[in-house]
Amino acid sequence: DQQVKQNSPSLSVQEGRISILNCDYTNSMFDYFLWYKKYPAEGPTFLISISSIKDKNEDGRFTVFLNKSAKHLSLHIVPSQPGDSAVYFCAAGPLMNYGGSQGNLIFGKGTKLSVKP
Amino acid sequence: KAGVTQTPRYLIKTRGQQVTLSCSPISGHRSVSWYQQTPGQGLQFLFEYFSETQRNKGNFPGRFSGRQFSNSRSEMNVSTLELGDSALYLCASSITGGGSQPQHFGDGTRLSIL
Repeated sequence: DQQVKQNSPSLSVQEGRISILNCDYTNSMFDYFLWYKKYPAEGPTFLISISSIKDKNEDGRFTVFLNKSAKHLSLHIVPSQPGDSAVYFCAAGPLMNYGGSQGNLIFGKGTKLSVKP
Repeated sequence: KAGVTQTPRYLIKTRGQQVTLSCSPISGHRSVSWYQQTPGQGLQFLFEYFSETQRNKGNFPGRFSGRQFSNSRSEMNVSTLELGDSALYLCASSITGGGSQPQHFGDGTRLSIL
């Protein structure tokens, strides 16, 4: 049973436009959410995160939105650049206490973003 | 600051053999997690180590094991290899594994079973 779902395996966007990547989760215990970007032959690179006490977090061109009632989060990239072409993974987990792990990150299967010049 | 280092990058084994993969976390990071990535399955959590103790474990058979050393370096071992173990194995580290800390990944070890 997939607890974190990225329903779009791929997305194609024109350079300069907005890219919107979506992610749904089912576990109500999740309260920490992250986005990673992965290029071929490299490990995932952390992009941005959000905890459940917020509904939006921005970092430069990247903004993550969280809708807890809908158990949905999205990543907006504005403006999109060809270098953003990669696979994007959404991940979720419970907030863990220092000194004790309460869980681990659960990843979606990824969305391949292609930004065309 | 050096990132997470995984060795070797590529490995070819045959069925029935065993393999050991190594991970050096970012300096100062004490939590190390291992993930398996296969096509169509995404990243699946194997286990997490903190202060030389396995703190959390995913749903993998006992053939998959690991350990962590006092310098936080970690090794993962897979015994009696099966064809289905062919995958990219990723290691990730964080400071303590708690409190809204992102995990930082290495580039992985690509394991191929013949």
